[in-house]
Amino acid sequence: DIQMTQSPSSLSASVGDRVTITCRASQSISSYLNWYQQKPGKAPELLIYAASYLQSGVPSRFSGSGSGTDFTLTISSLQPEDFATYYCQQSYRAPQTFGQGTRVEIK
Amino acid sequence: QLQLQESGPGLVKPSETLSLTCNVSGGSISSTSYYWGWIRQSPGKGLDWIGSIYYSGSTYYNPSLKSRLTISLDTSKNQFSLKVSSVTAADTAVYYCARAQMGVGGLDYWGQGTLVTVSS
Repeated sequence: DIQMTQSPSSLSASVGDRVTITCRASQSISSYLNWYQQKPGKAPELLIYAASYLQSGVPSRFSGSGSGTDFTLTISSLQPEDFATYYCQQSYRAPQTFGQGTRVEIK
Repeated sequence: QLQLQESGPGLVKPSETLSLTCNVSGGSISSTSYYWGWIRQSPGKGLDWIGSIYYSGSTYYNPSLKSRLTISLDTSKNQFSLKVSSVTAADTAVYYCARAQMGVGGLDYWGQGTLVTVSS
């Protein structure tokens, strides 16, 4: 299986901060990388697909970059509603696998 | 607007079979542009891919669960189903159904999730 490793596992940030989360794949996955946001008690929501494409309806403060093995999710100006857990997922090779998650907390 | 809704028992006894159904509304499960998947999340843990099914009925199962899994499609009811046999406490989780875009797309629509507890 392709292992997905996110860093950091958690972070504390303030409203308005720029936040960056990284995801590394154990082998090249081209651009088959997706990012999700999950709030407590809710299903994950797709933010970014194919590494850098913004899902319809997602605010433009979210962006993604990377290819191969190293990927980044950036929130340009953190908003109160962005405090959540973020997951990366590879859809390059079955079984599809997720990172362990990054919890974004209020400082 | 596409909607997915999981249904099934919230409590299953050890060694029995967990059965869930995902009802899809607002779109056809027979679309060739998408496939359908099951994902689970153990309490306080991350997300695990269980398996998927395509409009043709072909399936992919996570090798870690393959011997215990069955995923099927019912186009007449616009729904797909999951069965996990011989369950143990380790199968206790929130189970999600979701739609996946073919190609490089992600899981763009999810059900709200249903908690299944394995306990006697």
